[in-house]
This record gives sequence, structure tokens and C-alpha cells, in this order.
Amino acid sequence: GEDVEQSLFLSVREGDSSVINCTYTDSSSTYLYWYKQEPGAGLQLLTYIFSNMDMKQDQRLTVLLNKKDKHLSLRIADTQTGDSAIYFCAENHAGNNRKLIWGLGTSLAVNP
Amino acid sequence: NAGVTQTPKFQVLKTGQSMTLQCAQDMNHNSMYWYRQDPGMGLRLIYYSASEGTTDKGEVPNGYNVSRLNKREFSLRLESAAPSQTSVYFCASSEWPATEAFFGQGTRLTVV
Repeated sequence: GEDVEQSLFLSVREGDSSVINCTYTDSSSTYLYWYKQEPGAGLQLLTYIFSNMDMKQDQRLTVLLNKKDKHLSLRIADTQTGDSAIYFCAENHAGNNRKLIWGLGTSLAVNP
Repeated sequence: NAGVTQTPKFQVLKTGQSMTLQCAQDMNHNSMYWYRQDPGMGLRLIYYSASEGTTDKGEVPNGYNVSRLNKREFSLRLESAAPSQTSVYFCASSEWPATEAFFGQGTRLTVV
């Protein structure tokens, strides 16, 4: 079936690393995405990883993909208060009805 | 570059009233989507249009209709609003189905 799961909440201290986890079910997904939603705003693409990659790094962000376990993670180094937001994991479902399948989002709270 | 523009940003309706949410994108994208976002429910797909001239139901289409007016515009209509339709509505577009989605800023709708 189609399912993307994330934990709903994460709280970290400013300066620590944050790790947001996601599991998915569609092994045929080509891309996996991380989106960020700040309060009162729409979603914005943060980063993505192609399914044949294990890791992608972009400044403070590191994405790790374990295809065997269908597990995706987003690590934010040196977390700042401006990183407080909801983070959504999404996979592109490559079946007949191609569409993005979304997780419920992880609300990240960064405490000073 | 405006991206995805939704109007209105806020709306209060009485039960039984009708209204149309407008969405336009200037990225020449083929696919457009309407989502609703409710606390604890993540993003739920209402309707989508994979390409100009086609529309399909998503997870929660009941009580809504859509029109893909042209390649740029995709509107969502509530014929007889109900309190259960109180939500934040997001329009999104992507070059093709299941590729990176770009979101509007959202419409916060309250039905009383």
C-alpha cells in the first residue's frame, strides 16, 4: 500500500543536531523529498534525494536513505530557532496514479 | 516570479454558502493540485489535474468540485459549505505528476 510515516514531534536545544525520520512503503519511488512549512505559510522544498543515492549533503542538511529498510532521515546540524517548522517527507508514487505521497509532518521545536 | 498564487487568503462562510478558491501558476506546469491541511491529518489531496483538460479525485473529494480552466488556472468550488470544510487549503503545481511540487501560501477557510 501507499504509506509514509513520520513521528509527529521533535524538540531540540539550539545548537544541537536534529534528526527527523521517515519510513515509506513504495520501493519503486524515484525521488524522496523533504519539505519545510513555516507557520502560516505554504510548503517549500528543502531538499530531495534520488533513490539510487545513499546520502546527500547540502550545507547544514544531510539526507540519508536506507533503501533496504525504506528509511529516510533528515539531519539538521547546529539547529537554530529559525529551523522551527513542520517538516514533511514525501515520496513519488510511480504506480498508475503517479502522485506524491505525504507523511503527516514532524513539528520541530527549537528551544533556546 | 510569482510562482503559485491563491486567492483569497482568508474567508469566512456561513453553512450552505458557496465559494470558489482560485489558483494560478506561472511556471508552465502541467499538473496542479488542491490539498487541505487539518491539525494531525497532514496534507490530504482533494482533487488534482495531471494535465490540462483532465481532473481526478484525490483522497477527500466529497463536497468539492474543480475546474482546470486552462494550463495556468485550477479552481476549487465548494457548492454548499459545511463546518467540516473548515481548513487550510493549498494549491500546488508540478511540471509532471509526482515531481517536485510548488505550493501557494494557502487559504484559511472557516465555515460557521
